[in-house]
Amino acid sequence: SAVISQKPSRDICQRGTSLTIQCQVDSQVTMMFWYRQQPGQSLTLIATANQGSEATYESGFVIDKFPISRPNLTFSTLTVSNMSPEDSSIYLCSVVGGGYNEQFFGPGTRLTVL
Amino acid sequence: QKEVEQDPGPLSVPEGAIVSLNCTYSNSAFQYFMWYRQYSRKGPELLMYTYSSGNKEDGRFTAQVDKSSKYISLFIRDSQPSDSATYLCAMSEGYGQNFVFGPGTRLSVLP
Repeated sequence: SAVISQKPSRDICQRGTSLTIQCQVDSQVTMMFWYRQQPGQSLTLIATANQGSEATYESGFVIDKFPISRPNLTFSTLTVSNMSPEDSSIYLCSVVGGGYNEQFFGPGTRLTVL
Repeated sequence: QKEVEQDPGPLSVPEGAIVSLNCTYSNSAFQYFMWYRQYSRKGPELLMYTYSSGNKEDGRFTAQVDKSSKYISLFIRDSQPSDSATYLCAMSEGYGQNFVFGPGTRLSVLP
């Protein structure tokens, strides 16, 4: 399994500002995903971030609002831009690895926007 | 109809009980089936992983997949208070493709 860390673990931000979330993996992985989990809800995929290509965004999510970087096989960032209270959520990065179609998650970043 | 449906819960059982958690799905192309456990304020943790139909056992946990009925189950034997968490089923058509999660079932195991 992959060990994934995220920074920050939580933050409280003001409306209109931006926050960049970092995701670090302990092994090289090609496929990395960013999810959002709103309180009491399941996971919603924001985008797929494969190294060497542009991130692919799901319906309802756009690059201007959620720019993603994937500079190498162990690291990615997700920026939540021009935040509003509706962006308050847990943001999770995940990777697929292990030779099987197993997805492993980071601990999440709990974001509160005031 | 949602692509993946899951018993809504919450579910409360006494310690030692057998727990059955279930998901149904509509996409016959799903081939990979997973169960995740998520403790409060933590990321999901992969519990069980199954490819195609059949059963898989790991300790107190058994995963069953019935592709003909589009139905998957997770059984927990001798449930413990430490099993109290939200359980999410997830499915995928292919490697790294289209992971779809169920809404989750919150389980409480009472001592």
